[in-house]
Amino acid sequence: NAGVIQTPRHKVTGKGQEATLWCEPISGHSAVFWYRQTIVQGLEFLTYFRNQAPIDDSGMPKERFSAQMPNQSHSTLKIQSTQPQDSAVYLCASSPTNTGQLYFGEGSKLTVL
Amino acid sequence: GQQVQQSPASLVLQEGENAELQCNFSTSLNSMQWFYQRPEGSLVSLFYNPSGTKQSGRLTSTTVIKERRSSLHISSSQITDSGTYLCAMDPGTGSNRLTFGKGTKFSLIP
Repeated sequence: NAGVIQTPRHKVTGKGQEATLWCEPISGHSAVFWYRQTIVQGLEFLTYFRNQAPIDDSGMPKERFSAQMPNQSHSTLKIQSTQPQDSAVYLCASSPTNTGQLYFGEGSKLTVL
Repeated sequence: GQQVQQSPASLVLQEGENAELQCNFSTSLNSMQWFYQRPEGSLVSLFYNPSGTKQSGRLTSTTVIKERRSSLHISSSQITDSGTYLCAMDPGTGSNRLTFGKGTKFSLIP
């Protein structure tokens, strides 16, 4: 069991560029979650999918952020026109159901210059 | 206001001492979880929806959902316990859409 895999581990972009982050959940897990961690705000929920369907995106900034889960083996988080305040560690997690023990990936550290 | 309050914000102990971490919730909750974040950033689930007292090795979680509080006890702390301990709650969504505390940063002195 490889755990939740996130790529890239580090990404540096210039202001205004697009960033796409990938997540491969644990095989067989039906729920996939995206969180964001900053020093100031701590860990914040962004969005989650159950059986690939978007269930709750109430934590997503309304503009520039989008998430998809085209198949059961991966999810993407896309940030358009990145801004310095988007700099954070983006964490993906999966669980066997939408409740239950949550398994996190190593995170993708995004730095926007 | 902050829904999940953790205390202390930081804790420095000598190796071998016991540690007590607290988590208080300002709203009602369905369930809660404890996580450990390693210094390099990876997150590990320690206890999922503990009620009452549960033990795993040197870690003991005591949770009283009705009183909206939980504690994490680390006995005979070791250098490898260093890191940040986070508690998180499900405020009633019935999912892992969790609200996290800011964490307790735990450091050990040899």
